[in-house]
Amino acid sequence: DVVMTQTPVSLSLAIGQPASISCKSSQSLLGTSGKTFLNWILQRPGQSPKRLIYQVSKLYSEVPDRFSGSGSETEFTLKISRVEAEDLGVYYCWQGTHFPYTFGAGTKLELK
Amino acid sequence: EVQLQQSGPEVGRPGSSVKISCKASGYTFTDYVMNWVKQSPGQGLEWIGWIDPEYGSTDYAEKFKKKATLTADTSSSTAYIQLSSLTSEDTATYFCARVMDAWGQGASVTVSS
Repeated sequence: DVVMTQTPVSLSLAIGQPASISCKSSQSLLGTSGKTFLNWILQRPGQSPKRLIYQVSKLYSEVPDRFSGSGSETEFTLKISRVEAEDLGVYYCWQGTHFPYTFGAGTKLELK
Repeated sequence: EVQLQQSGPEVGRPGSSVKISCKASGYTFTDYVMNWVKQSPGQGLEWIGWIDPEYGSTDYAEKFKKKATLTADTSSSTAYIQLSSLTSEDTATYFCARVMDAWGQGASVTVSS
């Protein structure tokens, strides 16, 4: 199975500060279709996960543009340009290139 | 609006089975596969498998092949997961997720004698 390694485990930031989360995969996530199925989701406290980014860098329509995703092959990054209160929760990367789909262990974003 | 409404909490005895439902609305049920994801208490996420409601075809992560059975009823736009031979390790919240872009609210399963 593809192992997804996220760092850091937790982030404590003040509102307005930038955030950066790393996600590394044990295998290349570039699929035979030429697409890279690396995605990000956010689970706010007590809620189910919500979609954020798909195929490395594509934001879902409802996601604020302070979020961005980048990377290729085995190294990926989620960035928040300026953290807002609604951004707290646990961020997970997950890959949909190889079966079984696998998730990172999560990065908890707390507000300072 | 896409909505996935899951059934309520379940309590099962060790060795028994439970079945959770996920009713879809706001889109054509047969147009998208439905995934199921497990979240153990205080833990991360594990992908269990998916079902294509149109054809009934399924795929499972290896560790869930003997644990979970995925089905779908197109007449009611509802997906199901049945968990069998329950042990304490099955105590978790189970999410349905349409191609992982829309998630149900989760259904908790507690295994207790």
